[in-house]
Amino acid sequence: AQSVAQPEDQVNVAEGNPLTVKCTYSVSGNPYLFWYVQYPNRGLQFLLKYITGDNLVKGSYGFEAEFNKSQTSFHLKKPSALVSDSALYFCAVSVSGTYKYIFGTGTRLKVLA
Amino acid sequence: DTAVSQTPKYLVTQMGNDKSIKCEQNLGHDTMYWYKQDSKKFLKIMFSYNNKELIINETVPNRFSPKSPDKAHLNLHINSLELGDSAVYFCASSHGGTDSGYTFGSGTRLTVV
Repeated sequence: AQSVAQPEDQVNVAEGNPLTVKCTYSVSGNPYLFWYVQYPNRGLQFLLKYITGDNLVKGSYGFEAEFNKSQTSFHLKKPSALVSDSALYFCAVSVSGTYKYIFGTGTRLKVLA
Repeated sequence: DTAVSQTPKYLVTQMGNDKSIKCEQNLGHDTMYWYKQDSKKFLKIMFSYNNKELIINETVPNRFSPKSPDKAHLNLHINSLELGDSAVYFCASSHGGTDSGYTFGSGTRLTVV
């Protein structure tokens, strides 16, 4: 069965410091991996995805993520955090040709000024 | 122009009532979805339609009935509302499956009292 784990409920980071939000997955077949961000009282917004190719993918707002097949991980990173990055981040996995994601439980990122 | 719009944004109703939530997308996508986000922010897919055909029907009480009159609309009707139905319901759309990512609406917060 497919599953996604986000081991941290909350990540706190000082503004200007690098941030990492962790995600590991379990799927049979080639995974399609995604990160979404949810701001308060808003819908989820697409940040980036890994389908195939380069393991380092770049997305919106300066975020990037690295696909690591051996560790079955897809951690979200940003070199320098902004207070405005504070939000709820969801990792999601799907398999090619399917129509649904399995979402992680979300990680709340708090960037402190 | 809002890409995926849901109405109403807030819905407060009494137990036992019947209510509907409407969703419309103007992106030309062929697939639409309903997700439920509970109080712990956990996201779970409920239904998906591709070109007006139901393709995903997760384990959801049959009090919930989706209806897609055309590719741009997906409505959710809920009969005999229960306290446990209180949640935020998100509509989303995509072109094809999950590969291209979803575009989410801003959500409908349903409160059953």
